[in-house]
Amino acid sequence: SQTIHQWPATLVQPVGSPLSLECTVEGTSNPNLYWYRQAAGRGLQLLFYSVGIGQISSEVPQNLSASRPQDRQFILSSKKLLLSDSGFYLCAWSVGGGADHLRGYTFGSGTRLTVV
Amino acid sequence: TQLLEQSPQFLSIQEGENLTVYCNSSSVFSSLQWYRQEPGEGPVLLVTVVTGGEVKKLKRLTFQFGDARKDSSLHITAAQPGDTGLYLCAGLNSGYALNFGKGTSLLVTP
Repeated sequence: SQTIHQWPATLVQPVGSPLSLECTVEGTSNPNLYWYRQAAGRGLQLLFYSVGIGQISSEVPQNLSASRPQDRQFILSSKKLLLSDSGFYLCAWSVGGGADHLRGYTFGSGTRLTVV
Repeated sequence: TQLLEQSPQFLSIQEGENLTVYCNSSSVFSSLQWYRQEPGEGPVLLVTVVTGGEVKKLKRLTFQFGDARKDSSLHITAAQPGDTGLYLCAGLNSGYALNFGKGTSLLVTP
């Protein structure tokens, strides 16, 4: 069966420090991968998505970047965190191909990031 | 980006009551999905609706896709405390990724 792992669960970082959040998927090949951010228990804002190794699409200009060094690994990074980067970060995967939206997304358990 | 408006934003009801939450857009979607999210967890898919006018039932939850495929509703019969959570609708935008509404936060008290 497919599983998605996201870590760490919580993180407190000072302003100006770097960030690296990692997400890995098991049990599937060539998944579509996504990073979302959620503020204060509200809707999800799409940050990045990837349909293949080394391919990253950015939805929102910001202080963050993403990379996909391996087929089932997705990394969210920042060189210098801002207070506004605080939030709940969620990684998700879906089946690759045109019908992925019908099968839905499977989300990780999220990382609560607090920038102080 | 196609916007999805959800209403109400917050809903607090007592166990046993019925409720309906809505997801509306000015755009047509090929499909819409509903997710439920509990605090500190990622959203979990409840259902996907594809055909205009489609109705799907999941135990006490009834999902409907509007005839014009611009809106959807979720009706819960005899709500239970276990139904508490954030209900999110989502549709595919012009790209590859789902666009989510801001959600309806539901609290069901015993």
